[in-house]
Amino acid sequence: GQQLNQSPQSMFIQEGEDVSMNCTSSSIFNTWLWYKQDPGEGPVLLIALYKAGELTSNGRLTAQFGITRKDSFLNISASIPSDVGIYFCAGRGYKAAGNKLTFGGGTRVLVKP
Amino acid sequence: AAGVIQSPRHLIKEKRETATLKCYPIPRHDTVYWYQQGPGQDPQFLISFYEKMQSDKGSIPDRFSAQQFSDYHSELNMSSLELGDSALYFCASSFSNTEAFFGQGTRLTVV
Repeated sequence: GQQLNQSPQSMFIQEGEDVSMNCTSSSIFNTWLWYKQDPGEGPVLLIALYKAGELTSNGRLTAQFGITRKDSFLNISASIPSDVGIYFCAGRGYKAAGNKLTFGGGTRVLVKP
Repeated sequence: AAGVIQSPRHLIKEKRETATLKCYPIPRHDTVYWYQQGPGQDPQFLISFYEKMQSDKGSIPDRFSAQQFSDYHSELNMSSLELGDSALYFCASSFSNTEAFFGQGTRLTVV
């Protein structure tokens, strides 16, 4: 089945730093979605990507759909304390409507002590 | 804007009991997905429906069943509950294969 590898698994940030994370897939996807999840809450959609090579921004967030269709990255610029949380990538393969989303393992963003 | 509504938010059941989780998708969304998320885990796909028909199936136990009704709401039925079924259960909805929005989840605790 489809496998999504997300890295890093966790990272510490200091306010003002830029943050990067990425996902790679063993198969081709036609959609990449990035979510943020706070403890006990549902994942919140951050950015959606539909075309290979597409670069999309949402405020301080920027994500790209890899040209090979097998990877995507998310950048957070000038991080702030509320950026703490778990970030998930999710991919959807090629199929008619109703296709499932496969999730990466998540990147846990924490504040440097 | 209307979001995905899940009920109940919390549910406590004993082993071998039955539970029913409900999901009300965003209006005009035709696709519903169900996910299970254990502590510290990523969401695991269970099942999805497109236009009231099952469209994809993941690692859903045979003890679980789901359906999407004529008003597009969906229900996940879980029977013979086991301790290992304790998890957060999320429903998401989308319009066809566009972005999927998640509900707040149902926290199921089996004791």
